[in-house]
Amino acid sequence: EAGVAQSPRYKIIEKRQSVAFWCNPISGHATLYWYQQILGQGPKLLIQFQNNGVVDDSQLPKDRFSAERLKGVDSTLKIQPAKLEDSAVYLCASSLEGREVGTGELFFGEGSRLTVL
Amino acid sequence: GESVGLHLPTLSVQEGDNSIINCAYSNSASDYFIWYKQESGKGPQFIIDIRSNMDKRQGQRVTVLLNKTVKHLSLQIAATQPGDSAVYFCAEKAGTYKYIFGTGTRLKVLA
Repeated sequence: EAGVAQSPRYKIIEKRQSVAFWCNPISGHATLYWYQQILGQGPKLLIQFQNNGVVDDSQLPKDRFSAERLKGVDSTLKIQPAKLEDSAVYLCASSLEGREVGTGELFFGEGSRLTVL
Repeated sequence: GESVGLHLPTLSVQEGDNSIINCAYSNSASDYFIWYKQESGKGPQFIIDIRSNMDKRQGQRVTVLLNKTVKHLSLQIAATQPGDSAVYFCAEKAGTYKYIFGTGTRLKVLA
């Protein structure tokens, strides 16, 4: 079974430039997450989708970050304009969330490492 | 507010010894917890989970203990191996489909 695919793996940009990350979740997984992981910290949830609808984007800096999952499968996360503090690994995860608690294992991609100079 | 934290940022263990990684959570209503392992340059990988109606769950070489009274989780790794070197995170289910991760503990296995 193919895992969660992300691209690009690495991106270096200058501040105020824009960048986009792409994620293809595991086939059949309805729930998709974008997490930001700053070096030395745990992943922080940015946004989660259930199919093509947003479930929670309360921690997404909406003045510069946007995300979409138009057909309920692939997703893109965009940052425009980027700031120095956006340097981080952006992790995409998907899950086959069951009705009962205890079936919510997240499957993560390898992440996209962003460096903002 | 909701938070999940870990007591120790780095844990060094001799190869072959047992490791214990701790995690505190603050939301007493949380009913599901997951431990993840993250190796350098990779995404977190599921290790083991536990529901709040359980105190203990065992996997292959790993055991998770849940103490709801003091809102504490621990991950025990038996006979720690070099391949266990990684950062370990606990994650708390904080709402429908929502998971909050702790800061992480780096486990170093000494030869």
